[in-house]
Amino acid sequence: DTAVSQTPKYLVTQMGNDKSIKCEQNLGHDTMYWYKQDSKKFLKIMFSYNNKELIINETVPNRFSPKSPDKAHLNLHINSLELGDSAVYFCASSQDRGEGSGFSTDTQYFGPGTRLTVL
Amino acid sequence: GQNIDQPTEMTATEGAIVQINCTYQTSGFNGLFWYQQHAGEAPTFLSYNVLDGLEEKGRFSSFLSRSKGYSYLLLKELQMKDSASYLCGSLDSNYQLIWGAGTKLIIKP
Repeated sequence: DTAVSQTPKYLVTQMGNDKSIKCEQNLGHDTMYWYKQDSKKFLKIMFSYNNKELIINETVPNRFSPKSPDKAHLNLHINSLELGDSAVYFCASSQDRGEGSGFSTDTQYFGPGTRLTVL
Repeated sequence: GQNIDQPTEMTATEGAIVQINCTYQTSGFNGLFWYQQHAGEAPTFLSYNVLDGLEEKGRFSSFLSRSKGYSYLLLKELQMKDSASYLCGSLDSNYQLIWGAGTKLIIKP
């Protein structure tokens, strides 16, 4: 069984379009994340979310928005896509945010990634 | 600002030992992670250190010095399948993982 899954795996679209990437985890984790990995392989946090709090990286444009219909899902919506949005987007989850917990709860499990290409 | 530094690329020989260094400066510190990422795949967890010292897990070991803002990942008895990128990440005061750009490790026969 896949622990963290994302769809689609590949997404090719035109500039200006609106698109969504879905993420689901079946680990029973409380916290989910979205990362962007650019062409230089630099992995950058975009959002972390649990049922208590959404933390947004201040450098993320407001064209990006996470939507969580339930604890097991955190979808990423992107409006008005730009060329610079082309990257691989990874979803991840962890037991919780780790405050006051043992190290094992901080481990993040990543989905397979979604390669977004904006033309 | 927040900064994670690690070498861009390293080359080592099959069967040998390699040490990948990482220095970090983050707003607060709640531990340091090492992940392995093969080309085209998702990162996978290797180790987590929050206390000073060496943690050993089979062929892989990870070391942390909080006072120096320094960590290393030690890989022993290198195998060809160890060719991958190794990502160092520091958990900051908001429990956000701040990542380095990764070290591409090339293993030669």
